[in-house]
Amino acid sequence: ILNVEQSPQSLHVQEGDSTNFTCSFPSSNFYALHWYRWETAKSPEALFVMTLNGDEKKKGRISATLNTKEGYSYLYIKGSQPEDSATYLCAWGGATNKLIFGTGTLLAVQP
Amino acid sequence: EADIYQTPRYLVIGTGKKITLECSQTMGHDKMYWYQQDPGMELHLIHYSYGVNSTEKGDLSSESTVSRIRTEHFPLTLESARPSHTSQYLCASSAPGLTFYTFGSGTRLTVV
Repeated sequence: ILNVEQSPQSLHVQEGDSTNFTCSFPSSNFYALHWYRWETAKSPEALFVMTLNGDEKKKGRISATLNTKEGYSYLYIKGSQPEDSATYLCAWGGATNKLIFGTGTLLAVQP
Repeated sequence: EADIYQTPRYLVIGTGKKITLECSQTMGHDKMYWYQQDPGMELHLIHYSYGVNSTEKGDLSSESTVSRIRTEHFPLTLESARPSHTSQYLCASSAPGLTFYTFGSGTRLTVV
């Protein structure tokens, strides 16, 4: 059974702090790694889809890296803001684009 | 503005009732998915559709069924709801290839 693990489970930071989360996934039969942001009472929103080893993606203050050989991805948030508070999900994607999700990292940013 | 719609948002229903959770998308995506999430747990795939008249069960066993008669519509049905079906159900769709999902807002189901 394929397993995707995320750490930490939750994180509390102060406004302005930079932070990062980890996603570990099976390195065999890798096709894609997805990151989503899920705010309370909203739908999960896509941040990045990465497919190549060494991929780095950036969207504003958020960036992500991918290491498919060792099976991990990092998500970085620079200068966290209260509106960044959400659950961040990563998911391993197979050939058919069916995703296996981790349990997520809950980020709370205190003003 | 949502391109994928789920109704109802919340549902409390008695044991034994038949329920249908609706999911519709306006993007013309062939691939659609139903995921289930119990509190504190991962999203688990319960149903998958490649396109019209094509459905598969996901990795997590589910007593629910789905249909895909039209591209835009992918309803999920429970013939006889039980308390063990209490969960959040999320619908999603994606364009061809290894592309991101667009999610609906979810249905939080409680069976009493």
